[in-house]
Amino acid sequence: ETGVTQSPTHLIKTRGQQVTLRCSSQSGHNTVSWYQQALGQGPQFIFQYYREEENGRGNFPPRFSGLQFPNYSSELNVNALELDDSALYLCASGGEETQYFGPGTRLLVL
Amino acid sequence: AQSVTQLGSHVSVSEGALVLLRCNYSSSVPPYLFWYVQYPNQGLQLLLKYTSAATLVKGINGFEAEFKKSETSFHLTKPSAHMSDAAEYFCAVTDSGAGSYQLTFGKGTKLSVIP
Repeated sequence: ETGVTQSPTHLIKTRGQQVTLRCSSQSGHNTVSWYQQALGQGPQFIFQYYREEENGRGNFPPRFSGLQFPNYSSELNVNALELDDSALYLCASGGEETQYFGPGTRLLVL
Repeated sequence: AQSVTQLGSHVSVSEGALVLLRCNYSSSVPPYLFWYVQYPNQGLQLLLKYTSAATLVKGINGFEAEFKKSETSFHLTKPSAHMSDAAEYFCAVTDSGAGSYQLTFGKGTKLSVIP
């Protein structure tokens, strides 16, 4: 049990739609990161938030955006969905020495 | 830029045999290194981490890993495999003191345990 929860667990969307994924992280962990894990691959870093500000971004286009709230929860928003966005989206909270991952949201884009 | 290479996308061992999963990293600064395990349809669970203290790191479920700077390696071992160890294992690296705690992952090694 990592104390990190994500919702929903599964989601099906069609190309061009928008999606919002949610994450609730442990109290006291003011850093949250999002990762995309395509089938058969390792997770890829999307971005990180620290105290509600974006604090690092991977090689993902601007249609991937996020928010972090004062209660340590976070959102990942993806606009104009593409087929290649189908993946497991993982949220992680913590810091430099340890990041705890949630169970993920599996997104399927048709 | 950091990178992680995991040799062998799939490793099979017999129950009771030694488990050895290989990880080599590239980093321009002293790294922090991690091993995570992922069971089917689940998120990532931290097995162990190296953060510049002891080079031999012990983790959960009997796993350990040794940081070898000269070889830029952080291989994961377990003396005796159990059926419950069957899962996918990911090695990851982050730059110590970089401010952004971005993890760079390898592509993973799927471990099968044969009865």
